[in-house]
Amino acid sequence: DGGITQSPKYLFRKEGQNVTLSCEQNLNHDAMYWYRQDPGQGLRLIYYSQIVNDFQKGDIAEGYSVSREKKESFPLTVTSAQKNPTAFYLCASSIVDYFLTDTQYFGPGTRLTVL
Amino acid sequence: AQSVTQPDIHITVSEGASLELRCNYSYGATPYLFWYVQSPGQGLQLLLKYFSGDTLVQGIKGFEAEFKRSQSSFNLRKPSVHWSDAAEYFCAVGVPAGGYQKVTFGTGTKLQVIP
Repeated sequence: DGGITQSPKYLFRKEGQNVTLSCEQNLNHDAMYWYRQDPGQGLRLIYYSQIVNDFQKGDIAEGYSVSREKKESFPLTVTSAQKNPTAFYLCASSIVDYFLTDTQYFGPGTRLTVL
Repeated sequence: AQSVTQPDIHITVSEGASLELRCNYSYGATPYLFWYVQSPGQGLQLLLKYFSGDTLVQGIKGFEAEFKRSQSSFNLRKPSVHWSDAAEYFCAVGVPAGGYQKVTFGTGTKLQVIP
């Protein structure tokens, strides 16, 4: 079955630690995205990547970093510089369509809690 | 910049009753429009999307949405709600932004279904 997997489902971090969230897709999508979701808010874009070895900052990139070494993988690192990292993190992927009619498909999410 | 408003934070309906979830957007042209559903602790699942053409769009699980340009709205409807429809629903708009489609999400409407 094609899809997007995120691991771990739950992650606990001590203050001052960096943690890395995994996102893998086997949909052969070129584009991948990371969103942050907080209660009562919509999803906010952290980073996106349209092609391997290239990525762009989204609306709330501060305190986060990403890499895109493989088409299938787009890990997100939450650094100690992120002041309020407790949130639900969602990864998505899509084709890259010239007419921009691409649709984003989401993984199951990772809930990060800072202790 | 585009924006999305879901004016109802929480809606309660009886099982078997009809449902309409409201979504209004702000954008200078016709955007791409999406409805997603999220069960607690899960990722987002695409219900339906509008890119062009027929303004009444059919989706999965018996949902439909109607695009009304004059009202800048894309309301989601279902004629008869089932208990399994209890979830949070997100409206989203996609607009061209520097070679990719930037998607902006509303803050969500939580649906409760009572027997």
